[in-house]
Amino acid sequence: NAGVTQTPKFRVLKTGQSMTLLCAQDMNHEYMYWYRQDPGMGLRLIHYSVGEGTTAKGEVPDGYNVSRLKKQNFLLGLESAAPSQTSVYFCASSSYRANYGYTFGSGTRLTVV
Amino acid sequence: AQRVTQPEKLLSVFKGAPVELKCNYSYSGSPELFWYVQYSRQRLQLLLRHISRESIKGFTADLNKGETSFHLKKPFAQEEDSAMYYCALKPLGLTGGGNKLTFGTGTQLKVEL
Repeated sequence: NAGVTQTPKFRVLKTGQSMTLLCAQDMNHEYMYWYRQDPGMGLRLIHYSVGEGTTAKGEVPDGYNVSRLKKQNFLLGLESAAPSQTSVYFCASSSYRANYGYTFGSGTRLTVV
Repeated sequence: AQRVTQPEKLLSVFKGAPVELKCNYSYSGSPELFWYVQYSRQRLQLLLRHISRESIKGFTADLNKGETSFHLKKPFAQEEDSAMYYCALKPLGLTGGGNKLTFGTGTQLKVEL
């Protein structure tokens, strides 16, 4: 049981380049999330999805787009990377049941130069 | 809107000493509180849920609605407890919003020998 898998684990981008981060979960969870983790700022929600074909903005959505074409996958896209997007990105999933916690992926360390 | 505050960025204790990681929250309704832990080079994982009133790895946390706190405690720190700890909040009972968690900024616990 793999849980939540993120690819890639590391990436270096030049300013203005684009990329897509992939998150896959095999727990049949309804909800999926993308967070960014920055020193001194904790985890901040970028976008989330409550089901296949639906997405919604979180706390810091600017500069990112997402898609959830299949229930098990949640993609995070950067159209034109900026140095301010240098961060560690975590994907997570959860069941619709209210008192269950999240299952996190191992993270993607992105550096934009 | 809800907010989670972890006032300490770093907490350093000696092995065998008691540990208390502080977490305060602001939310107008009934909250559901969690503690997540991230060991070095590992993904975030759920440590405790207040609703289950459990003790995990010797850690406990009690929700104090009067003081709006959910401090994490352990009577005797162990070297393997060294990690980053995040407190998180979700509105209790609300599932339509996707079980979104609001995280604090985290506290790095260092247990010294």
